[in-house]
Amino acid sequence: EIVLTQSPGTLSLSPGERATLSCRASQSVSSSYLAWYQQKPGQAPRILIYGASSRATGIPDRFSGSGSGTDFTLTISRLEPEDFAVYYCQQYGSSSFTFGPGTKVDIK
Amino acid sequence: EVQLVESGGGLVKPGGSLRLSCAASGFTFSSYSMNWVRQAPGKGLEWVSSISSSSSYIYYADSVKGRFTISRANAKNSLYLQMNSLRAEDTAVYYCARGGGVSKRYAFDIWGQGTMVTVSS
Repeated sequence: EIVLTQSPGTLSLSPGERATLSCRASQSVSSSYLAWYQQKPGQAPRILIYGASSRATGIPDRFSGSGSGTDFTLTISRLEPEDFAVYYCQQYGSSSFTFGPGTKVDIK
Repeated sequence: EVQLVESGGGLVKPGGSLRLSCAASGFTFSSYSMNWVRQAPGKGLEWVSSISSSSSYIYYADSVKGRFTISRANAKNSLYLQMNSLRAEDTAVYYCARGGGVSKRYAFDIWGQGTMVTVSS
């Protein structure tokens, strides 16, 4: 089973700043099967990025995904107040899915 | 509007059973794989189970294999999760989520609001 590690655990930033979130896999992940989700308190997760770098419908272009192999990154170019949330990466492989433990982006 | 609505959660004793349902609307349910994901209180997301559009392929996380059964009724636009031999560690919000298919690289593109399952004596 592929294990995903996300860092940092918490990222404290101010609105307008750039956020860089990391997701590392214990073994190589096909870029096609790496996704990122956003979850706000009391809400269901929402898809942001699929296929490592493709934005889902309706996702602002300040969100971007990159990476390959075992190292993937979610970047939020300029944080808006509504972007403070928890972010999870997810991979699909060998008939199973795994999620990373999440990175919380909070207001500094 | 594309929507998933879970139901069936509640309080159950250890060793008990519960059946969750997920009602889909606004899309052709029979064309999509479906999934269950859970989230224990204050914890992260954990994939539970997946079922292909025609029920030909079914997968489970090791933590629930042999105790949970996923199924679907395409004629009723419904997804189910039969949970048996429940344990305290199964306490969580259970979400159903639509698989985005090949075009979305199997990411989960639509999520329900979740239903809470509490396993406690």
